[in-house]
Amino acid sequence: SQKIEQNSEALNIQEGKTATLTCNYTNYSPAYLQWYRQDPGRGPVFLLLIRENEKEKRKERLKVTFDTTLKQSLFHITASQPADSATYLCADTGGFKTIFGAGTRLFVKA
Amino acid sequence: DGGITQSPKYLFRKEGQNVTLSCEQNLNHDAMYWYRQDPGQGLRLIYYSQIVNDFQKGDIAEGYSVSREKKESFPLTVTSAQKNPTAFYLCASSIVQGDSQFFGPGTRLTVL
Repeated sequence: SQKIEQNSEALNIQEGKTATLTCNYTNYSPAYLQWYRQDPGRGPVFLLLIRENEKEKRKERLKVTFDTTLKQSLFHITASQPADSATYLCADTGGFKTIFGAGTRLFVKA
Repeated sequence: DGGITQSPKYLFRKEGQNVTLSCEQNLNHDAMYWYRQDPGQGLRLIYYSQIVNDFQKGDIAEGYSVSREKKESFPLTVTSAQKNPTAFYLCASSIVQGDSQFFGPGTRLTVL
């Protein structure tokens, strides 16, 4: 079955460093992937969308890459801040049914 | 202000009762979605609607029902047939199917 997988272990980094989160997909090739941020008890917020023919997309301190050979998308936050602490979700919303990964929790320490 | 609202924020129901969760958007979006989120898990799609008067089952539709009589409204009914309904329910909308999704604040349903 089609799957989106994210690292279930929380990522702990120091303020100012770059956080890198991974999203792997299996058994299919999504046309595009989206990244969302979710804070505890709240709905996700859309951050970035990247298409399969785009290698990289940037928005302020955020960068997303899409590697169709590795079947992977990487999400980077540069110069991370404690306010970036949240759960980040990867999603394929290009098909008839949306598929979300379970998310990776990021903790940025001051 | 444009946005998507869900009510109530917290909902308690007794076992065996049906309950309806509200979702309203004033973004003029065609597509709307319902998801369920359990602790430590990702969002699972319950139902989605690409356009008014049309909706499709997602991956976990059993025990749920929806209607889409108006563009701005997509209520979800959790029926007594849903075996484990306690969860966080999220409604979302997008301009069209496949576009980035705007989420509501969610409703936390607890079955007593």
